[in-house]
Amino acid sequence: QVQLQESGPGLVKPSETLSLRCTVSGGSMNKYYWSWIRQSPGKGLEWIGFVYYSGNTNYNPSLKSRLYISVDTSKNQFSLKLSSVTVADTALYYCARGSSSGFYVSWGQGILVTVSS
Amino acid sequence: DIQMTQSPSALSASVGDRVTITCRASQSIFTWLAWYQQKPGKAPQLLIYKASSLQSGAPSRFSGSGSGTEFTLTISSLQPDDFAIYYCQQYNSFPWTFGQGTKVEIK
Repeated sequence: QVQLQESGPGLVKPSETLSLRCTVSGGSMNKYYWSWIRQSPGKGLEWIGFVYYSGNTNYNPSLKSRLYISVDTSKNQFSLKLSSVTVADTALYYCARGSSSGFYVSWGQGILVTVSS
Repeated sequence: DIQMTQSPSALSASVGDRVTITCRASQSIFTWLAWYQQKPGKAPQLLIYKASSLQSGAPSRFSGSGSGTEFTLTISSLQPDDFAIYYCQQYNSFPWTFGQGTKVEIK
């Protein structure tokens, strides 16, 4: 049973870069899509984007100009960087393993990131 | 982006009731739709994929139907463990999008 665990700072200042990491255990990263999804009271669940194990990515156009998602299969990790954050980026951030179709069977527990000075 | 609209936003029901939640897409998504259950403090958990396929381990009282733009999630006999928030998600076209959620509360 694959497990995912998010890590990173819980507080980020406005205009800075939000950086999160997801560590995968209990399974191979090969042949899967590794995603970030966030949840906030104002916007509900929002798909951020994914990185395929090969390194190919697909981003939500609303975030694309600020977003970078990468994978390191040798460390069983993938990462998110979101630049120039504002209070609107305050959310619970989940990492998840996606199928080739696009639904999500496995999720991390989530990490709350607050953007505040 | 494809907009996903769920109705109702919340409902009250009793144990044993049959419950139906609707999800409408702003354009056809064929059957590329998933349903999730989320409990407080937990990540969403997949119940249904491809509109009507029951995820392994999900109780058989959950069923999904629909195609095109209108979909339903049905709980045939509501159990105490089913009080939660339910979300639909389309994965027909990027960016993938979610409904706003339906909260199922105890009457």
